[in-house]
Order: sequence, then C-alpha cells, then structure tokens
Amino acid sequence: RKEVEQDPGPFNVPEGATVAFNCTYSNSASQSFFWYRQDCRKEPKLLMSVYSSGNEDGRFTAQLNRASQYISLLIRDSKLSDSATYLCVVNALRSGYALNFGKGTSLLVTP
Amino acid sequence: NAGVTQTPKFRVLKTGQSMTLLCAQDMNHEYMYWYRQDPGMGLRLIHYSVGEGTTAKGEVPDGYNVSRLKKQNFLLGLESAAPSQTSVYFCASSYFPSGRRKGETQYFGPGTRLLVL
Repeated sequence: RKEVEQDPGPFNVPEGATVAFNCTYSNSASQSFFWYRQDCRKEPKLLMSVYSSGNEDGRFTAQLNRASQYISLLIRDSKLSDSATYLCVVNALRSGYALNFGKGTSLLVTP
Repeated sequence: NAGVTQTPKFRVLKTGQSMTLLCAQDMNHEYMYWYRQDPGMGLRLIHYSVGEGTTAKGEVPDGYNVSRLKKQNFLLGLESAAPSQTSVYFCASSYFPSGRRKGETQYFGPGTRLLVL
C-alpha cells in the first residue's frame, strides 16, 4: 500500500468555486504534513504546512485528522491561477527526513 | 541566492551511456535529496545525504550512484543508462534550524529531464 494516497482527479471547476482535496496516509507515526503545488513541468513548491489545529492561508485551508490519518485542502473562490497539481506530502520519519509524496490531484479552474 | 540549481536541464542518452547530474545549493543546507518523477507516480526518493561526505539509499536506488564531496553539491550518476531511467529528476535540499519542525522546508531545483533511448 502506498504511504500517501490521493484522488488523482482531475477536478474541473469554474472560477469562484470552492474545491476540496483529500489525502490519507498509512504511517500513524508521521509527524509533518504538507501540501505542495506543482505546475506543469515545474518543480514542486510548498503551498502550506498542515497542523493538527488546522490552518488557513488566505483562500486556502488545511486540516489534519490524526485519528483518521486524513489530510484535506480547501480552496475557496478558485482562481484561474490555481490550476495546477496539488501534492499531499508526509515526512518519511527515516531517510534523512525525506518526503513521501502522493501522486497528486489535478485541478483545472475554468473561466 | 540562486537557491537550488540543476545541470543539465535536459539530456538524451542512448542505452548503456553514462552521465552525471549535478545539483548545487547556495543555502548552506545540510540535507540533500534526489527524487525521480514518472507520469502517474508521485516523486520517489533515489538517494539522500545528511551532510558532506555522507550518502544513503532511498526508495529506488538501483542503477544510480551519488556523491557529496562538497556540502553544496550532490551528484547523481547513471553508470549504464536504461530506458527505465527515463524520468524527470528533482534535487532538493533542506535545513533544520533549531525550533523549526523537521522537514518543514524543502527547496527543490527546477528538474532535469532525461530521455534514454
């Protein structure tokens, strides 16, 4: 079983819509959780870290449920520029704190 | 600061040829990583280094070797390239200042696209 699982999508939404992505992870001892954004043919970039209390950054809200081993990302008021692949990422607890990546969820925001 | 740079950006190899991918960072990071990304797959860890002179295997190390002779450079070598090594290779580095959560910040290079024919 892959350590980080995501719905690959694609999610096609109109501008202004709210969209939610979900992710599950298998290692209950995982300590750090992130959402990365990856644009086509570019490197992944950190979107936000995810904390147990939940956290918000502008239109983006991340939630972590340790009991269910579940991570979510909510994007409100979608913009065309939000079109990208969103990667759910969990630290590996080994391998020099390398990151375990989900396969990513593709989002396309349309006019 | 240039951040993390990778050389070359794109390369075509024939099966059996060798090459070295260079990753350089100017942020004085201790930890460096090599990942590969294939279509429909998440990034997978090839090798990593927790400091100058140290390297270790990741999830998919077969067919690759690495070296970290200088803190700022992490080299990935393919001794005898195979078509299965066609991929996009990303290098990343990170630091762990005191008080920060481990793994919180990992910086990626722009990637090297490798095609093995």
